[in-house]
Amino acid sequence: GEDVEQSLFLSVREGDSSVINCTYTDSSSTYLYWYKQEPGAGLQLLTYIFSNMDMKQDQRLTVLLNKKDKHLSLRIADTQTGDSAIYFCAERGNQGGKLIFGQGTELSVKP
Amino acid sequence: GAVVSQHPSWVICKSGTSVKIECRSLDFQATTMFWYRQFPKQSLMLMATSNEGSKATYEQGVEKDKFLINHASLTLSTLTVTSAHPEDSSFYICSVTGQRYEQYFGPGTRLTVT
Repeated sequence: GEDVEQSLFLSVREGDSSVINCTYTDSSSTYLYWYKQEPGAGLQLLTYIFSNMDMKQDQRLTVLLNKKDKHLSLRIADTQTGDSAIYFCAERGNQGGKLIFGQGTELSVKP
Repeated sequence: GAVVSQHPSWVICKSGTSVKIECRSLDFQATTMFWYRQFPKQSLMLMATSNEGSKATYEQGVEKDKFLINHASLTLSTLTVTSAHPEDSSFYICSVTGQRYEQYFGPGTRLTVT
């Protein structure tokens, strides 16, 4: 079945780069997404990547996709305290546009 | 992206009562909306897919008679938690789907059943 896995925690210092990793199982996934959730809020779409791309960059965010290994990563350059949040990766499932979410990675940024 | 609102943002109700949560797509006509619930420190659990003008499709294990979904227009879907119990206390989030199957989420509704 479809499954998405992430590590649960990541701690970095302000100004460093953060790399959040995700693995997925459905090789037919067409789109993969990264979402950010701050405490008590809904999910904010950060970026997405189409499965025929290897990399996508958007300001401080870089997404890398290794389709062979079914591995997705999100790199945040110059991480700030405001980046502290839970980050979810998701893949588009094969049933009617549903998204399959990972467990979320809690990013803690220390000053 | 689409702008999605939810109302109320939080609600406290007594056990046995029913609560209605609204999800509105403010700038986008949404034929499909999704309803999720989220427990603290956990991922989102898809409850149902709400289809405009037809019955919702519920995920396995979700009681359709307990969680009533109505998607009467392209901009509004409602989730009614009937005969709420403390175990229904959760964070409920809705979303609408964009052109690349990305989902745009509402701010969520915190339900506490006492």
